[in-house]
Amino acid sequence: DAMVIQNPRYQVTQFGKPVTLSCSQTLNHNVMYWYQQKSSQAPKLLFHYYDKDFNNEADTPDNFQSRRPNTSFCFLDIRSPGLGDAAMYLCATEPGLAGETQYFGPGTRLLVL
Amino acid sequence: AQSVAQPEDQVNVAEGNPLTVKCTYSVSGNPYLFWYVQYPNRGLQFLLKYITGDNLVKGSYGFEAEFNKSQTSFHLKKPSALVSDSALYFCAVRDVAGGYNKLIFGAGTRLAVHP
Repeated sequence: DAMVIQNPRYQVTQFGKPVTLSCSQTLNHNVMYWYQQKSSQAPKLLFHYYDKDFNNEADTPDNFQSRRPNTSFCFLDIRSPGLGDAAMYLCATEPGLAGETQYFGPGTRLLVL
Repeated sequence: AQSVAQPEDQVNVAEGNPLTVKCTYSVSGNPYLFWYVQYPNRGLQFLLKYITGDNLVKGSYGFEAEFNKSQTSFHLKKPSALVSDSALYFCAVRDVAGGYNKLIFGAGTRLAVHP
C-alpha cells in the first residue's frame, strides 16, 4: 500500500553523465514536488507541479529539469551531474488544497563519481 | 517572509523521560504548522499538523505539539521517550503566498534517546 514510490533507492552515476530519478504516486494528488537534501540539512525545494503547471524555484540550477507525463508520475532529470549534486532527492505529493499535508517518498540517494 | 527556527541542533534525553523539541515560526497571517520525522536514509514521515482549532495537537507514535500564538511557538512533545524515537525532526510552516502551497522547513533537530 505504498503511496509515494521512488526508484531507484540508490543511484550511482558518473560526473557529467545524465541521470533520471523517478517518482510515482497512488494517491491521485494534484501536486508533486522535488526536493534536494544534503547531509541531514533541511530539504530544499527544487520545483513542483500543480497538475501540469510547472513551477521552478528561482535558485534551482538549469542542470535540473523535470517532467510530469501524467498525474501519477514525475521525473527529475539531472543533465550533467557534478560532485555537488550528490544528495538525497525526495519526492512529495499533496492534494493541493490549503493546509493539506505533503506526503514524502523514501528518497533516492544519488552518488556522483 | 515566512520562516521557521529550530534553536537546538540536538536534544538528548534518557529513555522514559519526557522530551521537547522546540520550534518557533514567523508568518504574516495565520500559520499552518507541521512536524515531520526522518530516520536514516529514509524520507520524511508526517507526525502532526496544526491548521486551526484546539491548540494541543495529537499525532503519530504518541507525539503531540502545542500551538502558542503569543509566543509563536509549536513545540513537539512526548511524555515518555523511546530509544526508537531517535531521529531527525523537522518543523515546517506553510507559505501560501502566490497561491501555491510551499513548505518552509526549519534546520532540523536531531533527537538522541539514550537507554
